[in-house]
Amino acid sequence: AQSVTQLGSHVSVSEGALVLLRCNYSSSVPPYLFWYVQYPNQGLQLLLKYTSAATLVKGINGFEAEFKKSETSFHLTKPSAHMSDAAEYFCAVSRSGGYNKLIFGAGTRLAVHP
Amino acid sequence: SQTIHQWPATLVQPVGSPLSLECTVEGTSNPNLYWYRQAAGRGLQLLFYSVGIGQISSEVPQNLSASRPQDRQFILSSKKLLLSDSGFYLCAWSFLGGSQLAAGRDTQYFGPGTRLTVL
Repeated sequence: AQSVTQLGSHVSVSEGALVLLRCNYSSSVPPYLFWYVQYPNQGLQLLLKYTSAATLVKGINGFEAEFKKSETSFHLTKPSAHMSDAAEYFCAVSRSGGYNKLIFGAGTRLAVHP
Repeated sequence: SQTIHQWPATLVQPVGSPLSLECTVEGTSNPNLYWYRQAAGRGLQLLFYSVGIGQISSEVPQNLSASRPQDRQFILSSKKLLLSDSGFYLCAWSFLGGSQLAAGRDTQYFGPGTRLTVL
């Protein structure tokens, strides 16, 4: 069975600081991995995805994530946080493309302080 | 381009009342469709998914049901709401398949959500 663990339900950083949101997955087959962002009272917006191509994936809004098979990790990073990055972030895993079931982590709420 | 709509945006309903939430997708055909629920302080839980008209699979047995009367319409219903049905309901879609769409087959795209409060 597949699962996702997001370490840290709340992360707080200063504006301009590095953002690091952690995600570890469990999958018996090569996974597809996703990061979504959710702003208050809105739906989920895709930040980036890993689908077995390049292990370093660049997404929108300056975010990127690196797939590390040996560590079963897919951590999300951004070199310099902006106030507008404050939101909840979800990591998700699925088995494959096409008809797919996404398994979500519990989410990490990112706060950015001036 | 594809867009996904959900309505209503917010809903306050008394316990025991019926429910109908609607989701429609524009700009694509034969999508996979999904209903998720996000309860306060919790992650997203897949409730139902559909790979075609009239084809519904349930992930979590409960007093909710789903229907897909048209290719791009997905409805979430209940005959009698419970307090525990409160939450944020999200509809999503993904490409059903076809080799020419392989590049996009893996991704689910979400609607704006419906905030349901059961009192």
